[in-house]
Amino acid sequence: ILNVEQSPQSLHVQEGDSTNFTCSFPSSNFYALHWYRWETAKSPEALFVMTLNGDEKKKGRISATLNTKEGYSYLYIKGSQPEDSATYLCAFEGDKLIFGTGTRLQVFP
Amino acid sequence: DTGVSQNPRHKITKRGQNVTFRCDPISEHNRLYWYRQTLGQGPEFLTYFQNEAQLEKSRLLSDRFSAERPKGSFSTLEIQRTEQGDSAMYLCASKTAYHYEQYFGPGTRLTVT
Repeated sequence: ILNVEQSPQSLHVQEGDSTNFTCSFPSSNFYALHWYRWETAKSPEALFVMTLNGDEKKKGRISATLNTKEGYSYLYIKGSQPEDSATYLCAFEGDKLIFGTGTRLQVFP
Repeated sequence: DTGVSQNPRHKITKRGQNVTFRCDPISEHNRLYWYRQTLGQGPEFLTYFQNEAQLEKSRLLSDRFSAERPKGSFSTLEIQRTEQGDSAMYLCASKTAYHYEQYFGPGTRLTVT
């Protein structure tokens, strides 16, 4: 059984704090690692897709790194804002997407 | 709006009734996926189509569930004789065969009473 784990489960931070989450996944049969941002009542939004060991991607204040050999990815948010409040999901792609349970981030003004 | 759309957004039904959900993918996407998400869990794969062909079904998809994509465009997911355990968010996603990203719809939240 392939397991994708995310930590922490939830996080409460003050506006302006930087934060990071972890996604661990199987290191075999790796094809891609996806990060999604999911706000309540909206569609999950694709943030990054990473395929190569050592990949680093950045979009504004959000960045992600990938280590396929040890099976983990980090998502960083610099200077969190209230609009960053959402659930952040990672998904391991082997022959299909397998999602973690997500990290629920709440940013207080 | 050219994104993935799903209808209805919410459905409340009584146990034993049949329900059908619809997904309209992004028009040039030939792959379409259905997922189910229950409270506290991430989305779980149910099935996927390439054009009109259903290529894979999860063991989660019991014989009460059926999905179709008759013309390779929109898809329907039907649940027969609903049970309380079917209460969940049902998500649809689409992609092309040549890109990694899957684009998700907003989901249909099913509540079985």
